[in-house]
Amino acid sequence: AQTVTQSQPEMSVQEAETVTLSCTYDTSESDYYLFWYKQPPSRQMILVIRQEAYKQQNATENRFSVNFQKAAKSFSLKISDSQLGDAAMYFCAYRGNNDMRFGAGTRLTVKP
Amino acid sequence: DADVTQTPRNRITKTGKRIMLECSQTKGHDRMYWYRQDPGLGLRLIYYSFDVKDINKGEISDGYSVSRQAQAKFSLSLESAIPNQTALYFCATSVDRGYGYTFGSGTRLTVV
Repeated sequence: AQTVTQSQPEMSVQEAETVTLSCTYDTSESDYYLFWYKQPPSRQMILVIRQEAYKQQNATENRFSVNFQKAAKSFSLKISDSQLGDAAMYFCAYRGNNDMRFGAGTRLTVKP
Repeated sequence: DADVTQTPRNRITKTGKRIMLECSQTKGHDRMYWYRQDPGLGLRLIYYSFDVKDINKGEISDGYSVSRQAQAKFSLSLESAIPNQTALYFCATSVDRGYGYTFGSGTRLTVV
């Protein structure tokens, strides 16, 4: 079964600085998709960024970018110019043939 | 109106009671999912359905059942609630495995 590991339960960053959240996954599939979701205190799950495994180019969405290392099965999220509104739980997720598997999450605190 | 609506938003129930959580969607998606979120565990899949006649167990289906009443409706039942089913429950939909989920706003269930 596929597993997703987020080794950092908590991270903090100073406002305007850059932070990187780590994620690794285990799979034997060659065709899959990877996602980062944000969950603010409102508890709504918000899609931040998506990566297709067959694409070598790293996905970017405004201040959010990923470092996708397929051979290492690593998928980290970089948040640049952190803002107070970035404070949330962040979940890394893997999607293969059927359902989506999530990591345990990283709680990000942004210090003013 | 929200694309994926979950009711109730919050619920407190007693041990042994039967409870149903409801999910409806206006996205027109065939694929629907139920997850539970626990601190330190992320989101874990309970059941999923790819169409009205297709129901599949996820990794933690024991103690739960589901009903897909229509393409747009997918309900989760706890036949006899127990305290360790206290969690945040999410319904989600998707159009295809290459895309992320659209989540409902969650149901926080407390079993006392």
